[in-house]
Amino acid sequence: GEDVEQSLFLSVREGDSSVINCTYTDSSSTYLYWYKQEPGAGLQLLTYIFSNMDMKQDQRLTVLLNKKDKHLSLRIADTQTGDSAIYFCAETNTGFQKLVFGTGTRLLVSP
Amino acid sequence: DVKVTQSSRYLVKRTGEKVFLECVQDMDHENMFWYRQDPGLGLRLIYFSYDVKMKEKGDIPEGYSVSREKKERFSLILESASTNQTSMYLCASSLQGGITEAFFGQGTRLTVV
Repeated sequence: GEDVEQSLFLSVREGDSSVINCTYTDSSSTYLYWYKQEPGAGLQLLTYIFSNMDMKQDQRLTVLLNKKDKHLSLRIADTQTGDSAIYFCAETNTGFQKLVFGTGTRLLVSP
Repeated sequence: DVKVTQSSRYLVKRTGEKVFLECVQDMDHENMFWYRQDPGLGLRLIYFSYDVKMKEKGDIPEGYSVSREKKERFSLILESASTNQTSMYLCASSLQGGITEAFFGQGTRLTVV
């Protein structure tokens, strides 16, 4: 079955860049996503990338996809304390769009 | 404002009880999902449904069942609750076709004692 892995924890200082990494096993993934979960809340979609792209930029967010290595990353420029949250990567493939999430990375931004 | 509503925020049940977790969405979405969230394990898919009365097992269906009698409602059933089912349960819904933006409920923190 599908497997999506992330490192559990990342700590950065305010103003630095954060890079959160994800690896996945399903080569038939069509879309890959980054979701954010703030404390006590459900998940919200941050950004996504189609599997035939290798980069997508959206304001402070840059998504890089290396399809050969099945590696996805999320770079947050100028990280702020409000970016502290858990970040999940996720993937879907064709068909009925079963959505599979990774283990989540807790980002802690210190002033 | 789009909404996915889970019936309870916090629930405490006894071992062996039958437990129902309810989820309702008001966006006319075809897909609905139940996940459990545990520290260090992320979100694990229990079941998902792509249409009324249709369901597919996720990665950890054992000990759970689901019901989708109406498009807007997806219920998760713990037939006989056990302590290892103590967890945060998250419901989500999405449209079919193209990008799967899933909308999540606030979650139900279930404790089985």
